[in-house]
Amino acid sequence: DIQLTQSPSFLSASVGDRVTITCRASQGISSYLAWYQQKPGKAPKLLIYAASTLQSGVPSRFSGSGSGTEFTLTISSLQPEDFATYYCQQLNSYLFTFGPGTKVDIK
Amino acid sequence: QVQLQESGPGLVKPSETLSLTCAVSGYSISSGYYWGWIRQPPGKGLEWIGSIYHSGSTYYNPSLKSRVTISVDTSKNQFSLKLSSVTAADTAVYYCARVEGANHLDYWGQGTLVTVSS
Repeated sequence: DIQLTQSPSFLSASVGDRVTITCRASQGISSYLAWYQQKPGKAPKLLIYAASTLQSGVPSRFSGSGSGTEFTLTISSLQPEDFATYYCQQLNSYLFTFGPGTKVDIK
Repeated sequence: QVQLQESGPGLVKPSETLSLTCAVSGYSISSGYYWGWIRQPPGKGLEWIGSIYHSGSTYYNPSLKSRVTISVDTSKNQFSLKLSSVTAADTAVYYCARVEGANHLDYWGQGTLVTVSS
């Protein structure tokens, strides 16, 4: 099974900060990685798929990069509505795996 | 606009079977796509349970496979989850979602909390 790790687990940032979250896969997954944002009491929301493709309607301050085993989610200028938990996700042989999550909190 | 809505009992007794249904609107399940179930224990991360294609082909999380059954009813445009022999560890918010491009989840239901308790 492919495992995903995320770093950091928690980060404290201010509005306007540039934020980067890393997701690492236990083996190469090409570019089959997605990122989700989840706010308390809500379902996850798809932000990015195929490592770097922005989902329709998602602000351009969100971007993704990477391939193989290391991927990043970047928020270029953190906005108040971006304080949430972020998860990466991969699919290999029809089996999904999620990363453990990164909580972005207000500094 | 594709919408998904989970329904089912919010309380299940230990050792019994958890049963949930996901009603899909705005898209015909028989037209394609895989459809999946994901759960999230209180305060914890996301765990994929399994996925089903409109034809009935299924894929399950190996850690739950012995207890999970996912089925589809194209006439009602819905798919269902059954999880047998539940314990307190199965207490979670259960989400249904659509699998886009065979590798990510683009539409999600709002989620339903299922508590396992006597």
